[in-house]
Amino acid sequence: DAGITQSPRHKVTETGTPVTLRCHQTENHRYMYWYRQDPGHGLRLIHYSYGVKDTDKGEVSDGYSVSRSKTEDFLLTLESATSSQTSVYFCAISDDHGTMNTEAFFGQGTRLTVV
Amino acid sequence: GQQVMQIPQYQHVQEGEDFTTYCNSSTTLSNIQWYKQRPGGHPVFLIQLVKSGEVKKQKRLTFQFGEAKKNSSLHITATQTTDVGTYFCAGLAAGNKLTFGGGTRVLVKP
Repeated sequence: DAGITQSPRHKVTETGTPVTLRCHQTENHRYMYWYRQDPGHGLRLIHYSYGVKDTDKGEVSDGYSVSRSKTEDFLLTLESATSSQTSVYFCAISDDHGTMNTEAFFGQGTRLTVV
Repeated sequence: GQQVMQIPQYQHVQEGEDFTTYCNSSTTLSNIQWYKQRPGGHPVFLIQLVKSGEVKKQKRLTFQFGEAKKNSSLHITATQTTDVGTYFCAGLAAGNKLTFGGGTRVLVKP
């Protein structure tokens, strides 16, 4: 498996509290992604990054923010967690498009429950 | 924004039968990728198609990219219990934005 680690793997938090999920890679890949997976919705892109301090919104970005201060780390923050953000969160990484080697490698996922 | 639709959402298959899952994008894609996720696991890359009309095979799996680079299909022949899982297509657009379809969950009846 590619060197990609998500932490924590499981978290239960209360509504209204801030939560930060971390994605760490050792592959020096340029692109990093955060997805959420819910039954019936597949994988929905929250935010992605195309370089240090370069990020863009995905299709379900409301309520989430991200930061990438180093190549290896991509943080996803829920400023004020809501029950609708209960989900499994996956981080993914991929190499530069110019190489045409664009397959994405996924982390093991973080199961977040907001009560 | 870009949307990727996948049908069917569920596929119940008798072991030994064939089936096909389809993927359609609202925009032209740089490439299309397919992933498989086993129950409880994370998505794992299967293949990437880049050229218009491209066809690739992996044993019993056949992947096709449409001429307009907006649709794709995955055909599995002689389904086995090891094929159980959810198959996702993902479209790569400008800026390396990777958008996934909703997935086809495959259940195999022995």
